[in-house]
Amino acid sequence: DAKTTQPNSMESNEEEPVHLPCNHSTISGTDYIHWYRQLPSQGPEYVIHGLTSNVNNRMASLAIAEDRKSSTLILHRATLRDAAVYYCIRQGGSEKLVFGKGTKLTVNP
Amino acid sequence: GAVVSQHPSRVICKSGTSVKIECRSLDFQATTMFWYRQFPKQSLMLMATSNEGSKATYEQGVEKDKFLINHASLTLSTLTVTSAHPEDSSFYICSAHEDSSIKNTEAFFGQGTRLTVV
Repeated sequence: DAKTTQPNSMESNEEEPVHLPCNHSTISGTDYIHWYRQLPSQGPEYVIHGLTSNVNNRMASLAIAEDRKSSTLILHRATLRDAAVYYCIRQGGSEKLVFGKGTKLTVNP
Repeated sequence: GAVVSQHPSRVICKSGTSVKIECRSLDFQATTMFWYRQFPKQSLMLMATSNEGSKATYEQGVEKDKFLINHASLTLSTLTVTSAHPEDSSFYICSAHEDSSIKNTEAFFGQGTRLTVV
């Protein structure tokens, strides 16, 4: 049970921002929100994670709703290399990362 | 960043034989590693948690006698698929955390091992 809900797929145009949503309505107060992405035939790659506050790094930004029941991964300027499956994961007390189905992002040139 | 390396990246074996997959943390020590399996067009499925110096913890439905995990050192975990059959053909991926505290830290994943059983 991945405990997060994401759209199956999304499309974006190159050099435009992308907002990838994730619902985690049953999240508990100590659960972290992680995002990973996976290119075909490769292992997943870490993108970003957070608890309550919005987070920024060189790859992306993570906007977490005030009630923490949803979050949005923001890619500020999509490139063709950003085309991947993006996984939003709730990391609970067991600390294991349990992957859901993710969102397949297509970036159009 | 930290690197996790898997070997081999691709293997083909005959039905009934055993295959060993290695997962190494190259520049850090990992007391805990995780093993996943991924079938085509599906998500990663967590198989087991590998603990250095102790028995692995398997997820529900994963046969521990079929998927043998050994975590003999702080930088190496191995997954052996015993008596492999075609239905075991899959993409096997390991991960590790650089920090001994797994929560609130990023996981580093290996590049995966494509197993084909013929």
